[in-house]
Amino acid sequence: GAVVSQHPSRVICKSGTSVKIECRSLDFQATTMFWYRQFPKQSLMLMATSNEGSKATYEQGVEKDKFLINHASLTLSTLTVTSAHPEDSSFYICSAPGQGAAQYFGPGTRLLVL
Amino acid sequence: QKEVEQDPGPLSVPEGAIVSLNCTYSNSAFQYFMWYRQYSRKGPELLMYTYSSGNKEDGRFTAQVDKSSKYISLFIRDSQPSDSATYLCAMSVDNTDKLIFGTGTRLQVFP
Repeated sequence: GAVVSQHPSRVICKSGTSVKIECRSLDFQATTMFWYRQFPKQSLMLMATSNEGSKATYEQGVEKDKFLINHASLTLSTLTVTSAHPEDSSFYICSAPGQGAAQYFGPGTRLLVL
Repeated sequence: QKEVEQDPGPLSVPEGAIVSLNCTYSNSAFQYFMWYRQYSRKGPELLMYTYSSGNKEDGRFTAQVDKSSKYISLFIRDSQPSDSATYLCAMSVDNTDKLIFGTGTRLQVFP
């Protein structure tokens, strides 16, 4: 299957700082990428759909000014958690569309805000 | 009621057992069905992908979709300790729609 990478794999930051997470499609181009959030022992919750060359589409209840998404190229999407707080601590995973309706996921980024 | 229901487990079985994992759903418009495996602290890995009803087999894994009952299953034959992970079902209406995930079932296969 297609390979999606994420960087960093884990990050610890102080409350109030901003954190950028990168998502790359390594062997294919992706005009769309998806950003998910996963709390311990819970399922994936879609946060937003990243669109190359246009604005991201956010799910209901997700603050677009808090979670900035930039899809700068056909292989790179970034999620910036601005002014992070402890409640933003979570596992953030990106994905890119694959065969049909399937998605290929990155390895995830574990964010801990102190 | 959630759109997709999945028993969280944990499901504990001995090595070599046949495992049955299931999801039920409420939206009859779902047509694409997937099973993902997620190891701890890792991203989900696509295991099986099925369109509409029927069965699909890949090695030790078999996916079944029964749209009339709004019920999907994943069977794992000859289960191995390396199969220990969380299994997530996911589905969508069409191939441009977002995926709706189940909560995941945690499987433990002991030697």
